[in-house]
Amino acid sequence: DGGITQSPKYLFRKEGQNVTLSCEQNLNHDAMYWYRQDPGQGLRLIYYSQIVNDFQKGDIAEGYSVSREKKESFPLTVTSAQKNPTAFYLCASMGYGRGPGSNQPQHFGDGTRLSIL
Amino acid sequence: GESVGLHLPTLSVQEGDNSIINCAYSNSASDYFIWYKQESGKGPQFIIDIRSNMDKRQGQRVTVLLNKTVKHLSLQIAATQPGDSAVYFCAVTYSSASKIIFGSGTRLSIRP
Repeated sequence: DGGITQSPKYLFRKEGQNVTLSCEQNLNHDAMYWYRQDPGQGLRLIYYSQIVNDFQKGDIAEGYSVSREKKESFPLTVTSAQKNPTAFYLCASMGYGRGPGSNQPQHFGDGTRLSIL
Repeated sequence: GESVGLHLPTLSVQEGDNSIINCAYSNSASDYFIWYKQESGKGPQFIIDIRSNMDKRQGQRVTVLLNKTVKHLSLQIAATQPGDSAVYFCAVTYSSASKIIFGSGTRLSIRP
């Protein structure tokens, strides 16, 4: 089955601790994304990567870090600098078409819910 | 900056009736539009998309309408069922863009 796998489903962070959320895709997509979703709100972009070994900050990158060493994997680290990390984190991937009008939809994993202990 | 807004944060519909969820966007260069469904505790699921060279696109029980003049799109769900209960997001982007802008979502609830 092709898709995006996020793990763990639930994660708890202690004060001053860094935690890493996993995202793996087998869709052969070039681009991958991390979003944060707070209760009753939409998706806010944290980081994105359009190609291996390259990534860009999104709208709320402070307190987060990412790496893209493999096409299939885009882990997100929530650092101790992120003072309000409690949220639902969503990973997405997208393939690129060729030429104008070739946009494709993003595909999402089922999220990781992060809480503070 | 760019924005995408939904007209109603919540919508309650009688089972069997049609549902209409609306979305407005600000960037006139937008040319690709997507609707997602998000059930509780899950990630958004792709429903249907439409490109700017079309005004209407139909799927199974869903129709998306695009009005580029007023920068508005809508999602129509026919014969709404209990399984349609979810939060619905519209998302907007344009050719060569690396990011998609998401609306804040409309929660659809179904009355028996």
